[in-house]
Amino acid sequence: AQSVTQLDSHVSVSEGTPVLLRCNYSSSYSPSLFWYVQHPNKGLQLLLKYTSAATLVKGINGFEAEFKKSETSFHLTKPSAHMSDAAEYFCVVSNPGGGADGLTFGKGTHLIIQP
Amino acid sequence: GAVVSQHPSRVICKSGTSVKIECRSLDFQATTMFWYRQFPKQSLMLMATSNEGSKATYEQGVEKDKFLINHASLTLSTLTVTSAHPEDSSFYICSATRTTDTQYFGPGTRLTVL
Repeated sequence: AQSVTQLDSHVSVSEGTPVLLRCNYSSSYSPSLFWYVQHPNKGLQLLLKYTSAATLVKGINGFEAEFKKSETSFHLTKPSAHMSDAAEYFCVVSNPGGGADGLTFGKGTHLIIQP
Repeated sequence: GAVVSQHPSRVICKSGTSVKIECRSLDFQATTMFWYRQFPKQSLMLMATSNEGSKATYEQGVEKDKFLINHASLTLSTLTVTSAHPEDSSFYICSATRTTDTQYFGPGTRLTVL
């Protein structure tokens, strides 16, 4: 069994300041981990993916995430927030077999950017 | 690469009618396609998984006779909401995978049933 916990339902930061969106997971396997972003009334866009290569994963739009096995965490960060980053962010874990029955979504974190 | 489209983006229909939503992988062949439903301010709920040429696998609690899924080719899957009712109003999102476990999501379809 696997699970994903996004520790904050809402995060608010000022434009230009760092962003930290927290995600903890549990998995019986060595999982693949993803972060997706969803803007209002849009589908999900893949930000980045971890698949047991480098533990620090760089994604699009300046985002990155670090896989820490000892802490079972995969937090998403960005050095400087931009207004366009305001969106819903989902942390997702997949078991090595892939497929939807191995895909577990977090409940999402709503990122608010203050001007 | 890995672009997934959905059509229509929005649809409004009367109660009792059926609505078909298309999901296409535009630049790759999708071994598997998935259909999700998302309620306002909530995460995605997996409805069913479909592989080309075989019957869809539905998640527990999802009525297969109400949500008909057809996966006729490696680039097209359709979801038909039959005899739609207001409680079926939701945001429906499809995704597709190639050979890896990365899912590529469509832009979603907003269904409103009057």
